Amino acid sequence: QVQLQESGPGLVKPSETLSLTCTVSGGSISSYYWSWIRQPPGKGLEWIGYIYYSGSTNYNPSLKSRVTISVDTSKNQFSLKLSSVTAADTAVYYCASNTRGPEYSSPQGGDAFDIWGQGTMVTVSS
Amino acid sequence: DIVMTQSPDSLAVSLGERATINCKSSQSVLYSSNNKNFLAWYQQKPGQPPKLLIYWASTRESGVPDRFSGSGSGTDFTLTISSLQVEDVAVYYCQQYYSTPPYTFGQGTKLEIK
Repeated sequence: QVQLQESGPGLVKPSETLSLTCTVSGGSISSYYWSWIRQPPGKGLEWIGYIYYSGSTNYNPSLKSRVTISVDTSKNQFSLKLSSVTAADTAVYYCASNTRGPEYSSPQGGDAFDIWGQGTMVTVSS
Repeated sequence: DIVMTQSPDSLAVSLGERATINCKSSQSVLYSSNNKNFLAWYQQKPGQPPKLLIYWASTRESGVPDRFSGSGSGTDFTLTISSLQVEDVAVYYCQQYYSTPPYTFGQGTKLEIK
């Protein structure tokens, strides 16, 4: 059973870059799409973007100018960088994946998120 | 982007009674070639990540109790809990994965005990 664990600083200063890592255990990162999703306190879920193990990425247009997702297959990890953060970026950040296989996917390759990390709270404050 | 709108925002139901949550998408999420609706429901308890309950609008994920059911097609969907249990208190989200990226979620419905 694939498991995910987020790690990174819990406090980031305004205008700086938020950096988080998700470690994949119980399976290889060299399959599936790997996403970041965030949830501001008391609010709903926002998909940030995904990466395939080959390195191809896709980002939410609302965040695209500030987001970079990368993968390190040797460490079974993928990472999120969000630049020029403000208080509005304060949220619980989750890594998540769709591991069920292409037979469950939409015509555009989308699928439900069946695996989630526990989440890590990141506060943007000076 | 497909906008997902849930109703109500919050709901209080007595133990053992039925709970119904609605979700509407701004565009159809039905793929006519296989008659699948690419709509998922999640349950999120305090301090926990979301848990996948239902995919294809009406198929329960493995291990999900059968009191949870999903219905609907096209743009209008419903999550029903047939007999509310204490452990069902949570926030519920719908999500479309028909037109991605981006994946989009509803704003959530908070379910409480009356």
